[in-house]
Amino acid sequence: TQLLEQSPQFLSIQEGENLTVYCNSSSVFSSLQWYRQEPGEGPVLLVTVVTGGEVKKLKRLTFQFGDARKDSSLHITAAQPGDTGLYLCAGGMGNYQLIWGAGTKLIIKP
Amino acid sequence: GAVVSQHPSRVICKSGTSVKIECRSLDFQATTMFWYRQFPKQSLMLMATSNEGSKATYEQGVEKDKFLINHASLTLSTLTVTSAHPEDSSFYICSARSSGRDTQYFGPGTRLTVL
Repeated sequence: TQLLEQSPQFLSIQEGENLTVYCNSSSVFSSLQWYRQEPGEGPVLLVTVVTGGEVKKLKRLTFQFGDARKDSSLHITAAQPGDTGLYLCAGGMGNYQLIWGAGTKLIIKP
Repeated sequence: GAVVSQHPSRVICKSGTSVKIECRSLDFQATTMFWYRQFPKQSLMLMATSNEGSKATYEQGVEKDKFLINHASLTLSTLTVTSAHPEDSSFYICSARSSGRDTQYFGPGTRLTVL
């Protein structure tokens, strides 16, 4: 059974602080997607990483794919209340199916 | 690009009735569409995968006769919840991918409430 362990499951921090969310697995992925979901809406794709060691930046969000393509991290700098949401990672197995992390519920307090 | 629509966004129905949810890829051809169910404060639970023109593949524990999936074209898939019961109340989300890509693009979801 392929698993993608996401941590932490819940994080509540003050505006301006930094944070990192991790997704780890023993499986090698062909790609890794990060999504953000707000209540009552579908997940919105933030980024796809496909190359081991790849780093992508999206404003204050930095995404990294591990060298062995088994893990990934999302780092948010100077978090803002607008960053609040459920963050989901998903690993691509190359057969069009995704393995989903359990999600990280992030709350940024003003 | 990569926009997926879902209709309706909310539906309330009586127990025993059937409800159809549509999922459309608006600006790309969706080789594969997925249907998920999401419980409050939880991650996505894959219900079934459908390829255009083929029968859907259901995940273990998902009743195919209760959740009917039709993927009639490269831009449209439908999920019909038959003889709905209150325990079917949930947030249903579809996603779509194009050929050769892992990335899935999601619809906005449908909140189903069965009274």
